[in-house]
Amino acid sequence: AQSVTQLDSQVPVFEEAPVELRCNYSSSVSVYLFWYVQYPNQGLQLLLKYLSGSTLVESINGFEAEFNKSQTSFHLRKPSVHISDTAEYFCAVSDRGNRDDKIIFGKGTRLHILP
Amino acid sequence: DTAVSQTPKYLVTQMGNDKSIKCEQNLGHDTMYWYKQDSKKFLKIMFSYNNKELIINETVPNRFSPKSPDKAHLNLHINSLELGDSAVYFCASSQGVWDNGELFFGEGSRLTVL
Repeated sequence: AQSVTQLDSQVPVFEEAPVELRCNYSSSVSVYLFWYVQYPNQGLQLLLKYLSGSTLVESINGFEAEFNKSQTSFHLRKPSVHISDTAEYFCAVSDRGNRDDKIIFGKGTRLHILP
Repeated sequence: DTAVSQTPKYLVTQMGNDKSIKCEQNLGHDTMYWYKQDSKKFLKIMFSYNNKELIINETVPNRFSPKSPDKAHLNLHINSLELGDSAVYFCASSQGVWDNGELFFGEGSRLTVL
């Protein structure tokens, strides 16, 4: 069965500093991996995803994540954060290809940007 | 134009009541979902429908009954509400089941059971 572990429930970081949000998954088959972001009082939005191909994926607002199969990880990084990045970040995993596959979410990491 | 819209956004009700949350998407997607987010932000899938057919029913009490009159709508009806049902319920949709893996979420419906 799939599972997702986000090791940090909260990550405080100073503005313009780098950040890494950790995500590990377990699955018995090949997977799709996702990072979603939830701004206050809003629904989740897809930030980036790994389906196949290059293991390094990027978002339009400067985040990137790298799929590491040997370590079963998909950590999210940004070299320089802004106040506007304050949000809850969810890592998610899905087994590939079956009709009743579902996206399983981690428990979320709150990114708190300090001025 | 809201892509996935849910109503109501807030719902406060007494234990034992029956309530419904409606969801509509205008993206032309054929798969829709209900997720429950608890007070600790944990997000768990409840149901998914593909072209009005139930695909996933994730060990949810049968007090919860989803209904999909067409592929653009997925409503959630809850009977005999309990305190533990208090949560934010998110509707989502996608094109195909996992064509590109992207879910589009509504803004959520916060249910408080007193």
